[in-house]
Amino acid sequence: DGGITQSPKYLFRKEGQNVTLSCEQNLNHDAMYWYRQDPGQGLRLIYYSQIVNDFQKGDIAEGYSVSREKKESFPLTVTSAQKNPTAFYLCASSTREAVGTDTQYFGPGTRLTVL
Amino acid sequence: GENVEQHPSTLSVQEGDSAVIKCTYSDSASNYFPWYKQELGKRPQLIIDIRSNVGEKKDQRIAVTLNKTAKHFSLHITETQPEDSAVYFCAATHNNAGNMLTFGGGTRLMVKP
Repeated sequence: DGGITQSPKYLFRKEGQNVTLSCEQNLNHDAMYWYRQDPGQGLRLIYYSQIVNDFQKGDIAEGYSVSREKKESFPLTVTSAQKNPTAFYLCASSTREAVGTDTQYFGPGTRLTVL
Repeated sequence: GENVEQHPSTLSVQEGDSAVIKCTYSDSASNYFPWYKQELGKRPQLIIDIRSNVGEKKDQRIAVTLNKTAKHFSLHITETQPEDSAVYFCAATHNNAGNMLTFGGGTRLMVKP
């Protein structure tokens, strides 16, 4: 998991603004994921990408967008359409040795606060 | 889709005692079950995982058991120490395209010295 970085660590946003969270990995992993974690809650999947230039919506994709132009990078944009964006955002990556059996490793997270 | 239930939501034990956290899942085709430990404000760290072709796996003080028939799996921590205090999450795969994990709601374990 040391090969996954997220920036910034803390991010403050005014209502109505779009913000982009960075996620980079040097593990040569094909698959990358974005999760949202609210206080005292589990992790909910926002978007995932199994390969460059391809991504799918997770359980809570509304108000978020992603891109996967490079294997190493999977940025997440929190748009003004996301009504309650204050949360801890975690990026993860995994290999694709076999569908459904790959370990996911997490980045250190970005804590987003809407002012 | 997959649904994972985790119990209890909080667990307090005395140092040296054992702790058990249980999870149930709904998709009988799920075949990979990792457990993550998350300390306050930190990233989840994989501590142990089990695949559907085995019923039990052990790593020092940590063990995981899987009952595919009943669709539940459990984390066992023996000889607990204060540094075991954290939130623990179980997860299971979706058996559809991709390697998506569905997470349980988490268990806050507190080990009292």
